[in-house]
Amino acid sequence: DADVTQTPRNRITKTGKRIMLECSQTKGHDRMYWYRQDPGLGLRLIYYSFDVKDINKGEISDGYSVSRQAQAKFSLSLESAIPNQTALYFCATSTGSHQPQHFGDGTRLSIL
Amino acid sequence: AQSVTQLDSQVPVFEEAPVELRCNYSSSVSVYLFWYVQYPNQGLQLLLKYLSGSTLVKGINGFEAEFNKSQTSFHLRKPSVHISDTAEYFCARSPTDKLIFGTGTRLQVFP
Repeated sequence: DADVTQTPRNRITKTGKRIMLECSQTKGHDRMYWYRQDPGLGLRLIYYSFDVKDINKGEISDGYSVSRQAQAKFSLSLESAIPNQTALYFCATSTGSHQPQHFGDGTRLSIL
Repeated sequence: AQSVTQLDSQVPVFEEAPVELRCNYSSSVSVYLFWYVQYPNQGLQLLLKYLSGSTLVKGINGFEAEFNKSQTSFHLRKPSVHISDTAEYFCARSPTDKLIFGTGTRLQVFP
């Protein structure tokens, strides 16, 4: 079983819809992250969380929100999806500062 | 702002040839560097990391990288590539509690 699991793996939806992407982990890591990947731009950080009570904005948080329901669960929401949010979204976990991050397999989101 | 630059967006190479993927970072007092690989339809997988110590870092799948402080570089190398090395490779640094990624280099290995 994967250590970092993202659901769904693929999603197609319409402009204006509310979308939730979910991430769960069995690694026991405190830190969790959400990124989006766009061709030619690499990965950009949306939000990150160091524990259940600690949520921080990343580089491109506008239009997104997150919820850390438990140490193992971190969900990303698009309140009103727009086409330029079409991207590949990744969840990651880590043990602490300057440590490697462990990634899920991604969610491919298309907004029409 | 602290950044990572991957100079080549695509690198084509024949099987069994050597390869170097280039990465430069903006100078900083403390530097923590990583290389990740992304195979099609998968997440990123750690290849190797430099946190401190020896400047030559060995990773998985026969890859290695050399930390060069004077040139602010962390180039990834493999002496002989395989078809299965075809993937996208990302250089990243960790200035604080986050990772900053380069834009990626697509390695295409031809038979």
